Amino acid sequence: EAGVTQFPSHSVIEKGQTVTLRCDPISGHDNLYWYRRVMGKEIKFLLHFVKESKQDESGMPNNRFLAERTGGTYSTLKVQPAELEDSGVYFCASSQGGLYNEQFFGPGTRLTVL
Amino acid sequence: AQSVTQPDIHITVSEGASLELRCNYSYGATPYLFWYVQSPGQGLQLLLKYFSGDTLVQGIKGFEAEFKRSQSSFNLRKPSVHWSDAAEYFCAVAPYNQGGKLIFGQGTELSVKP
Repeated sequence: EAGVTQFPSHSVIEKGQTVTLRCDPISGHDNLYWYRRVMGKEIKFLLHFVKESKQDESGMPNNRFLAERTGGTYSTLKVQPAELEDSGVYFCASSQGGLYNEQFFGPGTRLTVL
Repeated sequence: AQSVTQPDIHITVSEGASLELRCNYSYGATPYLFWYVQSPGQGLQLLLKYFSGDTLVQGIKGFEAEFKRSQSSFNLRKPSVHWSDAAEYFCAVAPYNQGGKLIFGQGTELSVKP
């Protein structure tokens, strides 16, 4: 069974540009989470989907970030326009069943904004 | 505010030596507790979790953790470290009734000397 995949693995963009990160969860996993780790800091929650619905987006930094989950399958996280402080590693995780079941993490997308 | 503290940013141990990684949490009730490990280029992998019951929890790869309510701690231990254990370790809590989102500590980087 394939794990959680994320694309791209690395992205380098200039301030003001737009970037879209993609996450493919494990098939059948209804819960999908986005997290971010800024260099030197802890991993922080961004938002949580259940199927295609946003359940909790309390961790989204501001309205430059837009997350979608089409048809309850893959998810995208768009940053527009990107700022320097958006640099970091963006992780996606998925889980099935209950909310406290194991979250399976992707390898992350490293975003660098110059 | 809910928080997780891992006091040690970096630890070096000799192969074969015992290991203890510290984790303290701040939360009004007993949360769900987790330890994850991240090897280079990989996603986070769950080592073990504590929900209730026996306060000594066994995990994968020979790891165990002990929940101590009086100290608000959930320290990770391994009796004998192998070179392949070199990685970054994250303690996390999932507060009750918050959708399963994880609150992470800052992480502890483990190096293993031959």
